Amino acid sequence: GAGVSQSPSNKVTEKGKDVELRCDPISGHTALYWYRQSLGQGLEFLIYFQGNSAPDKSGLPSDRFSAERTGGSVSTLTIQRTQQEDSAVYLCASSLEGWEGYEQYFGPGTRLTVT
Amino acid sequence: ELKVEQNPLFLSMQEGKNYTIYCNYSTTSDRLYWYRQDPGKSLESLFVLLSNGAVKQEGRLMASLDTKARLSTLHITAAVHDLSATYFCAVEPYGGSQGNLIFGKGTKLSVKP
Repeated sequence: GAGVSQSPSNKVTEKGKDVELRCDPISGHTALYWYRQSLGQGLEFLIYFQGNSAPDKSGLPSDRFSAERTGGSVSTLTIQRTQQEDSAVYLCASSLEGWEGYEQYFGPGTRLTVT
Repeated sequence: ELKVEQNPLFLSMQEGKNYTIYCNYSTTSDRLYWYRQDPGKSLESLFVLLSNGAVKQEGRLMASLDTKARLSTLHITAAVHDLSATYFCAVEPYGGSQGNLIFGKGTKLSVKP
């Protein structure tokens, strides 16, 4: 079946511009996660959604970062006034909810380059 | 602060050899995950370990979890070139937000003929 999809796959933007990154989770997965991966920081948790609500926003690095999820499905991560340190690969994952643990299935990522 | 430490971070090994990657973590947890990442690709789930003493095997890879020692191992048997990738362990802290995984820095494995 279809996996997690993300768009765009690559995004180059100028410093100071806003960007939106999109994630389509696996159908039926109630939980959705955003991470970013960079050389210096490894894999960092950003935010987690259960349905449309985000009980844990602790990983968002600054108030320039926000995310929303609508209809319990698609999620958008928005970065305002981008900075060069925002350059990274942004990964989205989704999972079922259940006692078997929250095995997360990852999308291909969006590579963001801020010039 | 929860720390997840993998070692080694880089591993070069010959085909046919065995080796073990270690994942130590600093908080109580009984849920640990192993992922594989190929260059330029996303993460692929390998193993989900949900209890002390859990052992799972898939092909040439075997993962185990010792929650008392806060240690997981990923053992590679008779390595082949196709196993070359970066391997991450990730811990779900006990009592933390569900699914909030803390990742190790990854072990970059290179298997040479």
